[in-house]
Amino acid sequence: AQKVTQAQTEISVVEKEDVTLDCVYETRDTTYYLFWYKQPPSGELVFLIRRNSFDEQNEISGRYSWNFQKSTSSFNFTITASQVVDSAVYFCALSGSPGNTPLVFGKGTRLSVIA
Amino acid sequence: DSGVTQTPKHLITATGQRVTLRCSPRSGDLSVYWYQQSLDQGLQFLIQYYNGEERAKGNILERFSAQQFPDLHSELNLSSLELGDSALYFCASSVTGTVNQPQHFGDGTRLSIL
Repeated sequence: AQKVTQAQTEISVVEKEDVTLDCVYETRDTTYYLFWYKQPPSGELVFLIRRNSFDEQNEISGRYSWNFQKSTSSFNFTITASQVVDSAVYFCALSGSPGNTPLVFGKGTRLSVIA
Repeated sequence: DSGVTQTPKHLITATGQRVTLRCSPRSGDLSVYWYQQSLDQGLQFLIQYYNGEERAKGNILERFSAQQFPDLHSELNLSSLELGDSALYFCASSVTGTVNQPQHFGDGTRLSIL
């Protein structure tokens, strides 16, 4: 069975601090996809990134970066120089081999950035 | 704006009632997914449709049903509602039916059962 664990339930940081959100996954599939979504206080779910299991390159997009490590089954998300607008719940999700496997979400990490 | 439209945004009803949630996918997307988000269960996959056909089923109760119409919009029907059905219901869409494609989510319908 597939599982995603986000051990950090809530994190609070002061603006301009860097913060890393942890995501650990379990799957028996050799091909799989990992995602991060953001849910701001307004409630919608916003797609941030997709990574496939064959691509272990780290990715950077502005202040966001993602570190994928197959050896530790982790896909961590770092926000550099956090801002108040980053306050949201962040979800890590996993899907199996291309096909009909639905997204399995972690429980989410609530990030509060304080001015 | 994800391009996925869900109506209504809020729904308040009583136990035992029936409601219909509606979703219009992004232009060009053939696949629609329904998810339920509750405090205790988190985000749970309910059901997926692709081009009008049911593609995958998750933790969907027998009291719930869904369909995707020829114009690709989808409806989720919830009947014999219970207090525990209070949740945020999301619709998502993707281009293909395969979940290697990112799913783009609507703003959700918040259902409150009194």
